[in-house]
Amino acid sequence: DIQLTQSPSFLSASVGDRVTITCRASQGIGIYLAWYQQSPGKAPKLLIYTASTLQSGVPSRFSGSGSGTEFTLTISSLQPEDFATYYCQQLDSHPKTFGQGTKVEIK
Amino acid sequence: EVQLLESGGGLVQPGGSLRLSCVASGFTFSSYVMSWVRQAPGKGLEGVSAISSSGDHTYYSDSVKGRFTISRDNSRNTLYLQMNSLRGEDTAVYYCAQGVRFGELLVWGQGSLVTVSS
Repeated sequence: DIQLTQSPSFLSASVGDRVTITCRASQGIGIYLAWYQQSPGKAPKLLIYTASTLQSGVPSRFSGSGSGTEFTLTISSLQPEDFATYYCQQLDSHPKTFGQGTKVEIK
Repeated sequence: EVQLLESGGGLVQPGGSLRLSCVASGFTFSSYVMSWVRQAPGKGLEGVSAISSSGDHTYYSDSVKGRFTISRDNSRNTLYLQMNSLRGEDTAVYYCAQGVRFGELLVWGQGSLVTVSS
């Protein structure tokens, strides 16, 4: 199975900060990676697919990049509603594994 | 409105069985790959199982292979997860989700809590 490792696991930031989360795959997956946001008690929400394509309705402050084994999710200016946990998921092969998550908390 | 509604969760003893259901509405259910994803208390997301649109192909994580069975009834717009030989580590909120385009999960249910305990 393909393993995904996110870093950092925990991030403390302020409103307005630029935030970057990294996801590394144990083998090359092309651009077949998605990012999700999960707020406490809620189901995950799709943010980005194929590494850099923004899902319709997602604010443009979210962006994704990368290919192969290294990917990043960037939030250009953190807003109060962005404090949540973020997960990457590889779409290359079954089982479509997730990273362990990155919790973004208010500093 | 596109919606997924899970049911069937609850408390079950170790070694017991449970069947989860997920009823879809607002989209053509038979056209989409469907998945089950679980989240243990305070933990991350784990992909459990997936099934092709026709039901011909199924996929399982190693942690549930041989114990869980995914199925679907396209005439009833319903996805199922039959869980047998349940263990404490299967305790989690189970989400059903719609796979789109490259397999990313666009629509999610509200989740169904399964607790395995004596």
